[in-house]
Amino acid sequence: EAQVTQNPRYLITVTGKKLTVTCSQNMNHEYMSWYRQDPGLGLRQIYYSMNVEVTDKGDVPEGYKVSRKEKRNFPLILESPSPNQTSLYFCASSLWAASGDEQFFGPGTRLTVL
Amino acid sequence: GQNIDQPTEMTATEGAIVQINCTYQTSGFNGLFWYQQHAGEAPTFLSYNVLDGLEEKGRFSSFLSRSKGYSYLLLKELQMKDSASYLCAVRDTGGFKTIFGAGTRLFVKA
Repeated sequence: EAQVTQNPRYLITVTGKKLTVTCSQNMNHEYMSWYRQDPGLGLRQIYYSMNVEVTDKGDVPEGYKVSRKEKRNFPLILESPSPNQTSLYFCASSLWAASGDEQFFGPGTRLTVL
Repeated sequence: GQNIDQPTEMTATEGAIVQINCTYQTSGFNGLFWYQQHAGEAPTFLSYNVLDGLEEKGRFSSFLSRSKGYSYLLLKELQMKDSASYLCAVRDTGGFKTIFGAGTRLFVKA
């Protein structure tokens, strides 16, 4: 089944404790992206990747890192999480970054930073 | 600046037609998407417009006017399962960044 998977689905952590949220897609997509979703603000793009080893900042990259060492994986790293990073995170992928390519979203990761 | 505006909430009756509007002001434009998101779930793709006009797909249609920075999503023959949030999103000129509106929560009542 074609899908985007994320792990963990739920995470409660404390300020300053490094964490990684994994994202994997099995559709051979070139483009991958991370979003956070907060009430009243909608989805905001954190980072995106056009291909292996090619990543760039979205609108809210502060406090996050990403890597794209393999086409299928695009982990999101929080080196020192803070409470304002409590949010619902979605990973997404599309075939290319071309205009008509829809994004397929993972199931989401709900992160709470205490 | 970049801005996408949608109504926060709408209510409609089962079997009726509802139109969800979206206005956008972005530095570039390379297509407009509509996604549906049920509570607690991931967004799923509904429609895409890059040229002016109406795109129809079953009970759902989407319209775009690039000169006015305006789009709408039309849902016909509403069903209870259409109760969800509807997200308007614009892809920038390069195609790499996507900006989402805050979403419109639609309640369908019997």
